[in-house]
Amino acid sequence: DIQMTQSPSSLSASVGDRVTITCRASQGIRNDLGWYQQKPGKAPKRLIYAASSLQSGVPSRFSGSGSGTEFTLTISSLQPEDFATYYCLQHNSYLTFGGGTKVEIK
Amino acid sequence: EVQLVESGGGLVKPGGSLRLSCAASGFTFSSYSMNWVRQAPGKGLEWVSSISSSSSYIYYADSVKGRFTISRDNAKNSLYLQMNSLRAEDTAVYYCARDYENLDVWGQGTTVTVSS
Repeated sequence: DIQMTQSPSSLSASVGDRVTITCRASQGIRNDLGWYQQKPGKAPKRLIYAASSLQSGVPSRFSGSGSGTEFTLTISSLQPEDFATYYCLQHNSYLTFGGGTKVEIK
Repeated sequence: EVQLVESGGGLVKPGGSLRLSCAASGFTFSSYSMNWVRQAPGKGLEWVSSISSSSSYIYYADSVKGRFTISRDNAKNSLYLQMNSLRAEDTAVYYCARDYENLDVWGQGTTVTVSS
C-alpha cells in the first residue's frame, strides 16, 4: 500500500504569509495527486488535481507542484478564509490521504 | 448543479448494521466511478471503498473488508454502502465522492455513531 506522509501537521501563519505544505509518497505515484481544503463541519473541497492543475473557481494564490514522490501545495499570500485543514490524496493505487495540515492564525 | 446527498446515518449498537445511500444529480452518474470516504471525530480523512461505473471493479480498505459492501444503481442515480458488524471505530462522518481525476465532488456527509 502507498503511504502519504504530510508535513507539517500544523502551522501558525499570518495573513499575507507564504505557506508551503509537503506530501511525500512511499513510492512513485507520477502526478496522481490532489490537494483538498476542509473547514470545520464541512466536506473537503478540491483545490488542485494532477499535482499542479488548479480546480476551476479556486483562487490563483493556490498552486501545486511535484511528481513522483515529493509534492508541494503553496499558498502565495494567506488570506483569512484560508485558515483550514489541508489534505493531499494519491490515487495512483487505490486512494490514500495524507495526515492533514491545520493552518492556524498566528 | 452537480450534487451528492448522503442519507441513512444514525446511532447503532456494536455488531449492528446500517445502509448508507448517496443520491446523485446534475451529471451522468453511470459514467463515473464513486467512492465512500469517512472521517472519525477529530481525525483525518480515510478512504473506505470504491466502485467503478458499471460495478465491474470494487475495492475496500482493509479496515472494512468483509464487513462493508459498496453497490450502486445507475437507473436510480444512487450509491450505497451496506455496513455490517459495526464497531465503535466505525463512528465517523461518511462522505460519498465522485471520482474524476481524483475526488472532485463530495456530498455533505452523514454521521454514523456506533455505541451501546
